[in-house]
Amino acid sequence: KAGVTQTPRYLIKTRGQQVTLSCSPISGHRSVSWYQQTPGQGLQFLFEYFSETQRNKGNFPGRFSGRQFSNSRSEMNVSTLELGDSALYLCASSLESNNEQFFGPGTRLTVL
Amino acid sequence: AQSVTQLDSHVSVSEGTPVLLRCNYSSSYSPSLFWYVQHPNKGLQLLLKYTSAATLVKGINGFEAEFKKSETSFHLTKPSAHMSDAAEYFCVVSDLVRDTGRRALTFGSGTRLQVQP
Repeated sequence: KAGVTQTPRYLIKTRGQQVTLSCSPISGHRSVSWYQQTPGQGLQFLFEYFSETQRNKGNFPGRFSGRQFSNSRSEMNVSTLELGDSALYLCASSLESNNEQFFGPGTRLTVL
Repeated sequence: AQSVTQLDSHVSVSEGTPVLLRCNYSSSYSPSLFWYVQHPNKGLQLLLKYTSAATLVKGINGFEAEFKKSETSFHLTKPSAHMSDAAEYFCVVSDLVRDTGRRALTFGSGTRLQVQP
């Protein structure tokens, strides 16, 4: 079985721009969760989608949004980028919501 | 509400010596517990999981963990550290949320393991 894939792997943007990150879950997994990881704040939960519906949301501003498609692929979008948005963005998929998760390699976003 | 506490933010061991990474949890029902490892600039990889079967769980790369309900602990151990074990380790608990039928997932803050030659 193919693992969780994330594209792109690396991204450089400037302040004020927007960015869209993509995640393809393991085949058959309906839950996709997104996390932001920074040296200062550690691993922080962004949101979870299950069968195209946002099920859970972390404590992030509205600039961070996401969606899930009928094939379970998910995208997250960050608008009006700030320097502090520089981070490793991790996607994880699971069969059941909030249970054993399988992580992708992450997208490293750098905001200049 | 559930919670996870990783008792050490950093652990340093010498190659060939035992590893102990400590994790305490609190939960209301019957939790599932996981340990993940993350190497620099990589995603998290599942090391092992406890899901109410045997309390001693064996994982990949020689790691194991013991679920101790009376102590609410799920410590990760390895008899002999290898240089390639240097990484960050996360303890995670998944449990049911009262009256919702849903599960909540809580991550520990991580323990960075250094292995000295």
